[in-house]
Amino acid sequence: AQSVTQLGSHVSVSEGALVLLRCNYSSSVPPYLFWYVQYPNQGLQLLLKYTSAATLVKGINGFEAEFKKSETSFHLTKPSAHMSDAAEYFCAVSEMAGNQFYFGTGTSLTVIP
Amino acid sequence: KAGVTQTPRYLIKTRGQQVTLSCSPISGHRSVSWYQQTPGQGLQFLFEYFSETQRNKGNFPGRFSGRQFSNSRSEMNVSTLELGDSALYLCASSWGQNNEQFFGPGTRLTVL
Repeated sequence: AQSVTQLGSHVSVSEGALVLLRCNYSSSVPPYLFWYVQYPNQGLQLLLKYTSAATLVKGINGFEAEFKKSETSFHLTKPSAHMSDAAEYFCAVSEMAGNQFYFGTGTSLTVIP
Repeated sequence: KAGVTQTPRYLIKTRGQQVTLSCSPISGHRSVSWYQQTPGQGLQFLFEYFSETQRNKGNFPGRFSGRQFSNSRSEMNVSTLELGDSALYLCASSWGQNNEQFFGPGTRLTVL
């Protein structure tokens, strides 16, 4: 089974600063990778996904992530944080076969004005 | 297209009772997955249904069950509720294998 590790359950950045949220997965075969965002009392919204095309994936709201096979990582970045980015972020992995998603434990992003 | 809808949004039950939650996927989506979200355990996969068949199952006791109807709507049932079942239950639908999952707003279950 897959496992997903998100380093840092809480990350704080200043408004306008770089956002970096880390995600590592365990798999010998490149899986499908996703980043989701969850705002309070809401479901999860897809930010971006990697499906074995370009290794640098651009998503919504200015976020992007880079797939690095050698590091089994899929870190999420945004050049300049905005107050509205404050939320919980989840990295997820889907195995090549089947449709079971494995989620990381989430990273809560705080943006300091 | 309408998004994934879940009913009810909030539910309060007492220990020992049972509960049924409903999920209507996005039109055309045939896969429905259920997750339990708690502060301590994060998002945990319950099960996935595709074309009325359970295709994947997580590591939950048999008190947790589900089903999917021919119109792809899905229900999950929890019998003999325990305090630890208090959680946000999320439903997600997708078109097929490895496509992104679209999540509903969740059902907040509180067990007293």
